[in-house]
Amino acid sequence: DGGITQSPKYLFRKEGQNVTLSCEQNLNHDAMYWYRQDPGQGLRLIYYSQIVNDFQKGDIAEGYSVSREKKESFPLTVTSAQKNPTAFYLCASSTRPRDGYGYTFGSGTRLTVV
Amino acid sequence: AQTVTQSQPEMSVQEAETVTLSCTYDTSESDYYLFWYKQPPSRQMILVIRQEAYKQQNATENRFSVNFQKAAKSFSLKISDSQLGDAAMYFCAYRNPNYGGATNKLIFGTGTLLAVQP
Repeated sequence: DGGITQSPKYLFRKEGQNVTLSCEQNLNHDAMYWYRQDPGQGLRLIYYSQIVNDFQKGDIAEGYSVSREKKESFPLTVTSAQKNPTAFYLCASSTRPRDGYGYTFGSGTRLTVV
Repeated sequence: AQTVTQSQPEMSVQEAETVTLSCTYDTSESDYYLFWYKQPPSRQMILVIRQEAYKQQNATENRFSVNFQKAAKSFSLKISDSQLGDAAMYFCAYRNPNYGGATNKLIFGTGTLLAVQP
């Protein structure tokens, strides 16, 4: 079955550590996105990529980095520069906007700083 | 810039009753798509319903239906015969279909938390 897979489901980070969240899709979607969600809050866009080897900053990119070397993969690195990384992270993918579909979401990764 | 507003942070409904969640949006485009997503306690985002702006007919999916008022830029979600499993955060979203640039991402509202009382 086609879908989007995020791993791990839970991740713990020590202060000063970089961690990478995985996002893989087998839907042949061109675009991929990373969102951050804090408790009781909406979705805030971190980074997005509309094509391989290209990505753009979203609304809260500071302290995060991404790569898009393959169409299927869009990993997110939370760097030590991100001062408050504890949050729920959602990855999503989509077809071309003209197709008129929304996003397909992964099941998320909960990151906790210990 | 396009914006999506959900003015009800929280709503409550009795089981088997009907509830309507409000959503308004602002755009100068005539062609676009609107969505309602559900996020239950599992945090998985689930597409509930989708509306194409050029279609006047309101979309329906089983117990879920929308009231799409294009001139008023309103897109409310009606849940009929509410069930305990409907308890979730609901997000309204807008998408510009034009490819290219930074304008075609989904724009989300801030969400409405729906509680279903037994």
